[in-house]
Amino acid sequence: ETGVTQSPTHLIKTRGQQVTLRCSSQSGHNTVSWYQQALGQGPQFIFQYYREEENGRGNFPPRFSGLQFPNYSSELNVNALELDDSALYLCASSLDRGSTDTQYFGPGTRLTVL
Amino acid sequence: GNSVTQMEGPVTLSEEAFLTINCTYTATGYPSLFWYVQYPGEGLQLLLKATKADDKGSNKGFEATYRKETTSFHLEKGSVQVSDSAVYFCALSKTGNQFYFGTGTSLTVIP
Repeated sequence: ETGVTQSPTHLIKTRGQQVTLRCSSQSGHNTVSWYQQALGQGPQFIFQYYREEENGRGNFPPRFSGLQFPNYSSELNVNALELDDSALYLCASSLDRGSTDTQYFGPGTRLTVL
Repeated sequence: GNSVTQMEGPVTLSEEAFLTINCTYTATGYPSLFWYVQYPGEGLQLLLKATKADDKGSNKGFEATYRKETTSFHLEKGSVQVSDSAVYFCALSKTGNQFYFGTGTSLTVIP
C-alpha cells in the first residue's frame, strides 16, 4: 500500500493571499486529519474529516477550511494568510476515526508567509 | 482540557546508554496514548501505543507503560543506538477525532 503524500513540498506566499495544500491518504483510509506544526513545537490539530464531512475541529479560525474527496484525497485551504501561518502542515490518514486508530503522517508542506 | 507535557530537550546520550523521556498527560476518562518519532527529514511515524491502563506498548526496543495512577506514559529504551537520534512526540487521543501532541524531545546519540 502506498503511503500518505502531500503537495507541494514547499510554498512561499505573501500576507493576505490564499493557499491550498493537498494530501493523498492511504487507500481505504476514510479519515484524514490536518495539523499545523510551528518550528520547535508539536503538531496542533486543525480539523478532521471522516467520509467527506468535518468530524472535529481544533482552535483555528474559520479561514482554515478543508475538503475531503471520495478518492482519498483532501485539501486544506487557508484564506487571508498571516505571518503566523508560517509552519509545517501535516496531514494524517487513519483507517477509521476511533481513538485507538493509528494515524499515518505525510511528510508535510512547509508554508512560508512573507 | 486535554493536554500532554513531555520533558524538554535536547537530550544527548552516548551509544548504549539508557533512555527515559518523561511524558505526563491531563485528560478525563481513559485516553489512548502514543509515542511518535520524527527522524531527520522524514514525517512522523508511530513508535508505539497503549489504549488502556497498565498496557505496555513496545517496538524497536522502546517501551512505555500506561500508568493511570500517575497519568504518565514515559518512553524507555535500555540501550540506545546512533540510529535512534530523532525527535520524539508523546500524544493522546480521547475521542479519536482529535490528537494532542507534546512539544517534542530531541534525542541525539553519539558514538
